[in-house]
Amino acid sequence: EPEVTQTPSHQVTQMGQEVILRCVPISNHLYFYWYRQILGQKVEFLVSFYNNEISEKSEIFDDQFSVERPDGSNFTLKIRSTKLEDSAMYFCASSVGRGRNEKLFFGSGTQLSVL
Amino acid sequence: GQQVMQIPQYQHVQEGEDFTTYCNSSTTLSNIQWYKQRPGGHPVFLIQLVKSGEVKKQKRLTFQFGEAKKNSSLHITATQTTDVGTYFCSITGANNLFFGTGTRLTVIP
Repeated sequence: EPEVTQTPSHQVTQMGQEVILRCVPISNHLYFYWYRQILGQKVEFLVSFYNNEISEKSEIFDDQFSVERPDGSNFTLKIRSTKLEDSAMYFCASSVGRGRNEKLFFGSGTQLSVL
Repeated sequence: GQQVMQIPQYQHVQEGEDFTTYCNSSTTLSNIQWYKQRPGGHPVFLIQLVKSGEVKKQKRLTFQFGEAKKNSSLHITATQTTDVGTYFCSITGANNLFFGTGTRLTVIP
């Protein structure tokens, strides 16, 4: 079965450094998402992306965050200057379409630790 | 943004006991989805409910959507150790999916 792949599985960085988290969505999917989950808490929406544009973003997704689809397969999340509170599991997801009847397929996540 | 609350937050059951988690919204929902996240894993889609009063079954799992489409429940009959994990209800927007607070299920062998 096709799956969303994320790299790296773990990322350790110093506060203030830039990180790029990478995702390869399922090939025929058109909508892409980033979520994060702080340990033991719920899964929080960050941003959705379609047709090379942000469709929607949450209040968490401030100017420190950006997303990009640099080529036909990768979808990246960049955090420009990491803070301690950015430490979390970051999940990429994709869906065939958008809207109320679409189910999301999640990657295995990147565990980001900011020291 | 929209919020859905789930209760209980945690549930410990003996293997073989039943388990139910409830999801409540203050607003009427167009649909609701359920996801399961195994410990250390990622959310995996279980099911979607759309119609008022809808009931769907997947083996030992029974999902219900309330008549007013403001609440939903997931019931597991005769839990097994493979059922451990966190169960999230979620609501879909035009461009996103909002997760509920989740219920973490522990099954004691």
